[in-house]
Amino acid sequence: DIQMTQSPSSLSASVGDRVTITCRASQGIRNDLGWYQQKPGKAPKRLIYAASSLQSGVPSRFSGSGSGTEFTLTISSLQPEDFATYYCLQHNSYPLLTFGGGTKVEIK
Amino acid sequence: EVQLVESGGGLVQPGGSLRLSCAASGFTFSSYAMHWVRQAPGKGLEYVSAISSNGGSTYYANSVKGRFTISRDNSKNTLYLQMGSLRAEDMAVYYCARGDILTGYPNGFDYWGQGTLVTVSS
Repeated sequence: DIQMTQSPSSLSASVGDRVTITCRASQGIRNDLGWYQQKPGKAPKRLIYAASSLQSGVPSRFSGSGSGTEFTLTISSLQPEDFATYYCLQHNSYPLLTFGGGTKVEIK
Repeated sequence: EVQLVESGGGLVQPGGSLRLSCAASGFTFSSYAMHWVRQAPGKGLEYVSAISSNGGSTYYANSVKGRFTISRDNSKNTLYLQMGSLRAEDMAVYYCARGDILTGYPNGFDYWGQGTLVTVSS
């Protein structure tokens, strides 16, 4: 099974900060990865697909990069509405999909 | 507008059964694989089960294999999850999600329902 290791598990940041979250795959997954944002009590929402493609309607301050085993989600300038938990999801081994453990972004 | 609406959650005793439903609208349901994902209280997301667009192929995470059954009725635009032999560790919010397709290949999930809470307790 492909394991997804996400780091950090939590971080504190201020509005306007640049934030970077990383997911590492236990084996190469090409660019078969998406990033999801989840706010408390809400369903996850996809931000990025195919590692670096921005989902329609998602602000351009969100970006994704990477291929193979290492992937990054970057928020270029953190906004108040971005405080949430973020997950990566690999689908290279479809239908055996696996999520990263999540990164909670909190207000400093 | 794509909508996925789960129902059927509730309180069930350990060892009991429950059937979840996910009513889909706003897209051609029979053209998409569908999935169930769950989230235990205060925990991360866990992939549970998948079903192909025509229902001919199914997949289960090891944690639910042999106890849960995924199915769909394309004439009713509805996805199901029959859960049996429920355990305390099955307690979670259960989400249905639509499988996205990119250039003919699976591409994660593009739409999610709002979730339904399953509580397993005596």
